Amino acid sequence: EPEVTQTPSHQVTQMGQEVILRCVPISNHLYFYWYRQILGQKVEFLVSFYNNEISEKSEIFDDQFSVERPDGSNFTLKIRSTKLEDSAMYFCASKRNTGNTIYFGEGSWLTVV
Amino acid sequence: EDKVVQSPLSLVVHEGDTVTLNCSYEVTNFRSLLWYKQEKKAPTFLFMLTSSGIEKKSGRLSSILDKKELFSILNITATQTGDSAVYLCASPEGGSTLGRLYFGRGTQLTVWP
Repeated sequence: EPEVTQTPSHQVTQMGQEVILRCVPISNHLYFYWYRQILGQKVEFLVSFYNNEISEKSEIFDDQFSVERPDGSNFTLKIRSTKLEDSAMYFCASKRNTGNTIYFGEGSWLTVV
Repeated sequence: EDKVVQSPLSLVVHEGDTVTLNCSYEVTNFRSLLWYKQEKKAPTFLFMLTSSGIEKKSGRLSSILDKKELFSILNITATQTGDSAVYLCASPEGGSTLGRLYFGRGTQLTVWP
């Protein structure tokens, strides 16, 4: 069964460093998302991406964050100058052209020290 | 203010018990409600509900939606230890064209042998 894959599964970085989280969405999906879940809190929407551009972003997704689809398969989330409060599980997700079902990857656990 | 509220926050039962998990929502232009199971990492899709009163069923799991009262329930019969997980309820904001999901805090279900 096709699935969303994410790398790395866990990354530890120093405050102020840049990180790039990578995702390979399900191949015939057209909508891509990043969500995050701070330990013990709700899953929160960050950004949605369609047709090679950001469609919607939350108030969390400030100038520190950016997304890119550098080729036909990868979808990346870049966090510039990480802060301690960026420590969270980051989930990539994707969706087909029709329907509302969003499929999630296994997540990338980011720890900022 | 939370758009999706789940109860209870945690539940401990013994194998064989039946459990009912609750989700109430308040999103504009409601389109659908989704249930996910989150074991260690990725939320995995269980059900999507769009119509009132129509039960969705998958093995021992079933779910139903009440659009008049704005809630959904997830039932698990004859629980097994493998059902232990966090169960998440989510709904896309109607104005969100690409399915930005609002999640509840989840119900942590623990099934003891």
